[in-house]
Amino acid sequence: GENVEQHPSTLSVQEGDSAVIKCTYSDSASNYFPWYKQELGKGPQLIIDIRSNVGEKKDQRIAVTLNKTAKHFSLHITETQPEDSAVYFCAASGGGGADGLTFGKGTHLIIQP
Amino acid sequence: SAVISQKPSRDICQRGTSLTIQCQVDSQVTMMFWYRQQPGQSLTLIATANQGSEATYESGFVIDKFPISRPNLTFSTLTVSNMSPEDSSIYLCSAGQAYEQYFGPGTRLTVT
Repeated sequence: GENVEQHPSTLSVQEGDSAVIKCTYSDSASNYFPWYKQELGKGPQLIIDIRSNVGEKKDQRIAVTLNKTAKHFSLHITETQPEDSAVYFCAASGGGGADGLTFGKGTHLIIQP
Repeated sequence: SAVISQKPSRDICQRGTSLTIQCQVDSQVTMMFWYRQQPGQSLTLIATANQGSEATYESGFVIDKFPISRPNLTFSTLTVSNMSPEDSSIYLCSAGQAYEQYFGPGTRLTVT
């Protein structure tokens, strides 16, 4: 089955700086890679996603890149703000949306004022 | 995006009892899923709730322990049966629209 590795487990950055979280996956059949933000006591919130036929996607301060050859995808957050502090999870799935997600272990992002 | 609600939001149960968690979606969706998240940990897929047929379970999860119903395209239930303290966790349902999956707020279960 699929295995998703996520690094780092904790990331502390100064407000206004950029943050990068990296994930690798094992199953070359995976074709969908979402990122979730989870705040304390809440369910995961989908913030951005990318499909295997796209190399990069951007939404305001958030971007995701995908390298299919290396089986590697990354989340980039620019101009970080205090409200970006949360746990971020990457995930992968195949099957065109009919499959459940395999999650990475999560990154605790801390924005220092 | 789909809006998902879960009931109850939290519960404390005695070992040996069962709890049924309800998941309601504000629109019809093809796919619904159930996940478990132990405190401070990642999410693990329990099963896919199929409308009109039996749920599909992931390795390590069985129907006798986690029976699932999916009576229509907006609703599903997960029962945690014969609970033990190891079942203490957050249980989350999600709804799939095309590729995207949206999550409910979760049910925090404590088994004493």
